[in-house]
Amino acid sequence: DAGVIQSPRHEVTEMGQEVTLRCKPISGHNSLFWYRQTMMRGLELLIYFNNNVPIDDSGMPEDRFSAKMPNASFSTLKIQPSEPRDSAVYFCASSLGGSGANVLTFGAGSRLTVL
Amino acid sequence: KQEVTQIPAALSVPEGENLVLNCSFTDSAIYNLQWFRQDPGKGLTSLLLIQSSQREQTSGRLNASLDKSSGRSTLYIAASQPGDSATYLCAVHTGYSTLTFGKGTMLLVSP
Repeated sequence: DAGVIQSPRHEVTEMGQEVTLRCKPISGHNSLFWYRQTMMRGLELLIYFNNNVPIDDSGMPEDRFSAKMPNASFSTLKIQPSEPRDSAVYFCASSLGGSGANVLTFGAGSRLTVL
Repeated sequence: KQEVTQIPAALSVPEGENLVLNCSFTDSAIYNLQWFRQDPGKGLTSLLLIQSSQREQTSGRLNASLDKSSGRSTLYIAASQPGDSATYLCAVHTGYSTLTFGKGTMLLVSP
């Protein structure tokens, strides 16, 4: 398996533009997580899907952020409109079952810079 | 709210030294604790997972211990090598989906 695949790896955009980050989880994994990493706040969970259904989105910062998982092999995280404070590395991770007893496998991340 | 603290924030050692990374958490009601490694510009790689009922886990030169009652975990790295240079993150699991991360310890092992 190629692991968790994220795209784009790097994105530079201007404030106000729409940003869409993509994730392909490991085949067979039924849980998918979106995390954001910054120097100030470290890693924060944004949203968690189980069997394509959003279970916990309490970490989504505000209405400008939305996430979808239309099928078991694809998820998107959208920011509209983007702001400079959204600059961070966004990670997608997947696991078989919840993140409890099962190891999370992380993607390489998408580094977002909003100017 | 669970808070995870890792000390030190950065550590520099010469090759061959044994070292200990520390992790503390405020809420002892955890399901498990995981240690991850993150290389620059890369994602996280899980190193060890310790269930709440366990005291330690070992993998090669790595040994992680857990004292749930005191809210502490340590990651012991034996005979460190330059290839061990990375950021090490501790994360505790306190709900079905809630994994709270520390900010990590940046380790540099010099030849």
